[in-house]
Amino acid sequence: GDSVTQMEGPVTLSEEAFLTINCTYTATGYPSLFWYVQYPGEGLQLLLKATKADDKGSNKGFEATYRKETTSFHLEKGSVQVSDSAVYFCALSDRNDYKLSFGAGTTVTVRA
Amino acid sequence: EAGVVQSPRYKIIEKKQPVAFWCNPISGHNTLYWYRQNLGQGPELLIRYENEEAVDDSQLPKDRFSAERLKGVDSTLKIQPAELGDSAVYLCASSSGFTSTAGNIQYFGAGTRLSVL
Repeated sequence: GDSVTQMEGPVTLSEEAFLTINCTYTATGYPSLFWYVQYPGEGLQLLLKATKADDKGSNKGFEATYRKETTSFHLEKGSVQVSDSAVYFCALSDRNDYKLSFGAGTTVTVRA
Repeated sequence: EAGVVQSPRYKIIEKKQPVAFWCNPISGHNTLYWYRQNLGQGPELLIRYENEEAVDDSQLPKDRFSAERLKGVDSTLKIQPAELGDSAVYLCASSSGFTSTAGNIQYFGAGTRLSVL
């Protein structure tokens, strides 16, 4: 079945550092890809998405590019802030299926 | 626009006791989901509703878990009796269905953190 593997954490960074979280997927179809973020004490929020190969999703300075050849959707941000401290989840959904499959999550802590 | 609302935020119970969680989805969203998120893991789907019909409950442990969505709006998830292994965060999500460009976007509530002692 469909699955997502993402980089294990925790990840600790200093402010203004570069962040990358690796995500690879296995899917039988042609999925849509997502990054969700969970801030402390809150629910999951959609951060960005991409629905086809070579699409780049972006939001709040974060970017991820749908790479079909490497089955990857790595999340990047050029300069992180303390407010970016959260748990980040990579997820996929088949285009015609409601099921959302999540990775295990990566905890990111940004220090001032 | 209000997001997905869940209550309570936290619940502590002793094993063998019953517990219930409530969810109010985004207005107009016909599809409602319940997920369980164990510590250090991603959410896993328990049940999906289309309006008031449970269309996918294959992952719901039916011996102790039940859910309902009366009138196709609010939903309740119940566990009776609770076991120690049920300690987790229970998330509710809703969506308005598929679009040609974005697929199906699910919006999540803040969750209910259940601790079974």
